[in-house]
Amino acid sequence: QKEVEQNSGPLSVPEGAIASLNCTYSDRGSQSFFWYRQYSGKSPELIMFIYSNGDKEDGRFTAQLNKASQYVSLLIRDSQPSDSATYLCAAIGRVQGAQKLVFGQGTRLTINP
Amino acid sequence: DAGITQSPRYKITETGRQVTLMCHQTWSHSYMFWYRQDLGHGLRLIYYSAAADITDKGEVPDGYVVSRSKTENFPLTLESATRSQTSVYFCASSDPNQPQHFGDGTRLSIL
Repeated sequence: QKEVEQNSGPLSVPEGAIASLNCTYSDRGSQSFFWYRQYSGKSPELIMFIYSNGDKEDGRFTAQLNKASQYVSLLIRDSQPSDSATYLCAAIGRVQGAQKLVFGQGTRLTINP
Repeated sequence: DAGITQSPRYKITETGRQVTLMCHQTWSHSYMFWYRQDLGHGLRLIYYSAAADITDKGEVPDGYVVSRSKTENFPLTLESATRSQTSVYFCASSDPNQPQHFGDGTRLSIL
């Protein structure tokens, strides 16, 4: 079982709708969670981070964390074609016994005009 | 400009050759990381460094060597390149338990 799991998609959402991206993690000791956006051929770019249970909002983006269910999500409101990208979920977990940032495989999101 | 830079951006080489990918950051972050990204595998950690002269293996370290004599530099060397090492390589840096910031990547092709 991978430490951080995401549905690889593709996820297709009409323009203006809410895009919902989900992520689960296996390490109950994980404390910090991050969402990165990666456009094709580009490097990952941090868009949100969340440390506490509940919701965190930043503009059109909302990150949600539920530690009891080991579940992190990212909501994108009023989706725009420019939001089309791969979204990577990451958690600070353990790799070979040491604390590391562990990435999911990413969800490819397409916003249809 | 402050940031993290990787060089070269693109590299083509042959199997058996030694290749070094460079990474330089100006934030004075203590941590630096090397990842490779391949279709179907996502981002995989190769090596990381918590400070100058301290390095450790990640998930996929075989065939790679790193060094960190200065805080700002973290070169990655493929001592004898193989076709399976064809990939996109990303360098990243961060302070402890903080988000990582990525360089633009190096696209490496091994023929």
